[in-house]
Amino acid sequence: DAGVTQSPTHLIKTRGQQVTLRCSPKSGHDTVSWYQQALGQGPQFIFQYYEEEERQRGNFPDRFSGHQFPNYSSELNVNALLLGDSALYLCASSPGVLAGLELFFGEGSRLTVL
Amino acid sequence: GESVGLHLPTLSVQEGDNSIINCAYSNSASDYFIWYKQESGKGPQFIIDIRSNMDKRQGQRVTVLLNKTVKHLSLQIAATQPGDSAVYFCADYSGGYQKVTFGTGTKLQVIP
Repeated sequence: DAGVTQSPTHLIKTRGQQVTLRCSPKSGHDTVSWYQQALGQGPQFIFQYYEEEERQRGNFPDRFSGHQFPNYSSELNVNALLLGDSALYLCASSPGVLAGLELFFGEGSRLTVL
Repeated sequence: GESVGLHLPTLSVQEGDNSIINCAYSNSASDYFIWYKQESGKGPQFIIDIRSNMDKRQGQRVTVLLNKTVKHLSLQIAATQPGDSAVYFCADYSGGYQKVTFGTGTKLQVIP
């Protein structure tokens, strides 16, 4: 049973560019959340998707957007990249938006903005 | 703003000893508190959680204690093993959709 998978694992972009990160949830899970983890910090909640809609959003600008597809996979898009966007981007899935708090995390996509 | 923070950034423990990782929180409306373990190069892994109406919960080799009076949470790991070496995060959840707020983390180093 595959867990949460994310791609790409590493990528390098320059300021002003745009990036798309992808996530496939664990089998049987329909809810996906995205987190940003800066070096040496705890993950920060970006937003959550359920039934292809953004259900809750953290304190992130509109440059951060997302999408959930009918197969429950999700994308995170970041426009107009800033140096401060360099971080590990984590996707987490769960079997229902109110099903509990045992989030299953992927190994993340490491984004470096130069 | 509301936050979940940890007292110590690094904790070194001898293999076989017990480990205690502490955490302070400020959001008195939190419903759940959760501990995650993050090994190098991996995503966080759920360890154990505790509801706000409980003061203790035990798992396999782990115990979480909650003191709401002083807004303090701790994770106790019995007979610490080298595989326990990781960064440990406390996190809280205050209802609605699954917005989990993480603290900064404590790095646990197990000395063989």
